[in-house]
Amino acid sequence: NAGVTQTPKFQVLKTGQSMTLQCAQDMNHNSMYWYRQDPGMGLRLIYYSASEGTTDKGEVPNGYNVSRLNKREFSLRLESAAPSQTSVYFCASSEIRNTIYFGEGSWLTVV
Amino acid sequence: QKEVEQNSGPLSVPEGAIASLNCTYSDRGSQSFFWYRQYSGKSPELIMSIYSNGDKEDGRFTAQLNKASQYVSLLIRDSQPSDSATYLCAVNPSGSARQLTFGSGTQLTVLP
Repeated sequence: NAGVTQTPKFQVLKTGQSMTLQCAQDMNHNSMYWYRQDPGMGLRLIYYSASEGTTDKGEVPNGYNVSRLNKREFSLRLESAAPSQTSVYFCASSEIRNTIYFGEGSWLTVV
Repeated sequence: QKEVEQNSGPLSVPEGAIASLNCTYSDRGSQSFFWYRQYSGKSPELIMSIYSNGDKEDGRFTAQLNKASQYVSLLIRDSQPSDSATYLCAVNPSGSARQLTFGSGTQLTVLP
């Protein structure tokens, strides 16, 4: 029972490099999310997708793009990484009554 | 003012005591409230959800909601060292279907 799977788990990037975080869920959920978590800041929503084919900005979308490839997959792309994007990234999905299930997280360091 | 506020702690309680975690929120129209537990280096996991005023009990955990005071709390009875974690309060603000706004979390340490 995989739930929400995200890759890679750890990544070090140089400033200006690009990368894509991959996320897939096997719970047939309509909604998917990308959050970032920084010390003392809690979880902040970057982008979300309420259903296949739709995406919307969250609280901190600048510097990121997303793609809802199909119902299962929701990717997050950093086009030109900056040190301020050093963070832990969590993909999540939900369906009934807002219960959100998280992936295991991706630790990203931008040097 | 932050939308969801929690005391960052750290909160320390002795083993067997009651731990009380508090959360306030700014959107009076919020309808759904959640407590997540996050161990260091791990992802958040849902431990309680509450939608109506009053108390909701699940084992050693009790969530309390007071919409008039815009206040939600989590009580952990008979605290165990394994309860040591960061507890995140999350709120579904009005008009934001299925999105959650999280507090910054309260770090709880249960001392043996």
